[in-house]
Amino acid sequence: DAGVTQSPTHLIKTRGQQVTLRCSPKSGHDTVSWYQQALGQGPQFIFQYYEEEERQRGNFPDRFSGHQFPNYSSELNVNALLLGDSALYLCASSLVGRQNNEQFFGPGTRLTVL
Amino acid sequence: GENVEQHPSTLSVQEGDSAVIKCTYSDSASNYFPWYKQELGKRPQLIIDIRSNVGEKKDQRIAVTLNKTAKHFSLHITETQPEDSAVYFCAGSAGGSYIPTFGRGTSLIVHP
Repeated sequence: DAGVTQSPTHLIKTRGQQVTLRCSPKSGHDTVSWYQQALGQGPQFIFQYYEEEERQRGNFPDRFSGHQFPNYSSELNVNALLLGDSALYLCASSLVGRQNNEQFFGPGTRLTVL
Repeated sequence: GENVEQHPSTLSVQEGDSAVIKCTYSDSASNYFPWYKQELGKRPQLIIDIRSNVGEKKDQRIAVTLNKTAKHFSLHITETQPEDSAVYFCAGSAGGSYIPTFGRGTSLIVHP
């Protein structure tokens, strides 16, 4: 049973560029959430996708956008990168309707913006 | 929205001692409180969780307590071992979405 996978593992970009991160959920899960974890901080919720639609969004600008595909995999896109976007980006999958909605995290993508 | 405060930020104990990490939350509608352990360079992993209709939950050396009135919840680790060394995050979430708001984390160091 494959867990949550993310690609790429590491990424280096320069200011103003655009980036796309990818996530495949745990087998059987239908919901994908994205988090940004800055160094020394807890994960900050970006948004959640279910049934190919953004279901909830955290306090992040429109430069952050996403997509969910019919196979439940997801992408996170960030436009006009800023130095402050450097962080570990975590994807978490879950199954809607489960009482606890436990979030299973992927290994993350380390984004460095120079 | 929800605001979760966590302390201490760093906790250093000797092997075999107990460790306690405390969190407070602001949203009285929060009803699900997971705790995650994140080892260096690895993903956060759920270690225990508690719902608001329960005051305490135990799993071997780990226990979590919840005081809804005071909006406090705590993680207790007994008989700590060096492999318990990691960053621990508390979180609170409300409603049907169960989107967790995380605390800033506690770095637990267990000295052999």
